[in-house]
Amino acid sequence: QVQLVQSGAEVKEPGASVKVSCQASGYTFTSYAIHWVRQAPGQRLEWMGWINAGSGNTKYSQKFQGRVTFTRDKSASTAYMELTSLTSEDTAVYFCARKEPGSKSPFDSWGQGPLVTVSS
Amino acid sequence: QSALTQPPSASGSPGQSVTISCTGTSSDVGGYNYVSWYQQHPGKAPKLMIYEVNKRPSGVPDRFSGSKSGNTASLTVSGLQAEDDADYYCSSNAGNDNWVFGGGTKLTVL
Repeated sequence: QVQLVQSGAEVKEPGASVKVSCQASGYTFTSYAIHWVRQAPGQRLEWMGWINAGSGNTKYSQKFQGRVTFTRDKSASTAYMELTSLTSEDTAVYFCARKEPGSKSPFDSWGQGPLVTVSS
Repeated sequence: QSALTQPPSASGSPGQSVTISCTGTSSDVGGYNYVSWYQQHPGKAPKLMIYEVNKRPSGVPDRFSGSKSGNTASLTVSGLQAEDDADYYCSSNAGNDNWVFGGGTKLTVL
């Protein structure tokens, strides 16, 4: 079955960077995009952007442009999200979600979402 | 892009029906039939319940249904059950491969 397994919880100091991984299994990794969605404690889901796992093309939400980078390792069926210049407002659960490229399809499978805590 | 607008809360007794709205603009909800709905229990990842406005993935009970009129999409849960008690989020394509979520609605089964 389709599975997205993410790396564990992290604690970072303000100004640092964090890199979260998302390992896919149960499907052809390069046929889908991986989207990143975060959720601050008690808050709504917030879309961050996506990476096409096949082509490596990326799209970033304007809010995170310049501070976030998506990469992928096809040989390991793993996508990565790196967020820099962390502040306390970046404390959130960071989910990866699978989606077919294109407009119609939904986010049909999600990772478990590690909590990233930014605190001094 | 701004978040889609959902009511913060909704409630109903077991067996009743409840409808949750999701209001956007002509640039997102109104412009595409690509609205989806997600259920999220505390501490868990979201689960897809409805896609393309009114389609149900395999395994989702037919008590869940979706619709759309203009810039507002709706999720209806019929025959409420205790396990439906959760947060619900709508999502829509917002053009140019951008996506947006709603603010979320906490559904309480009384």
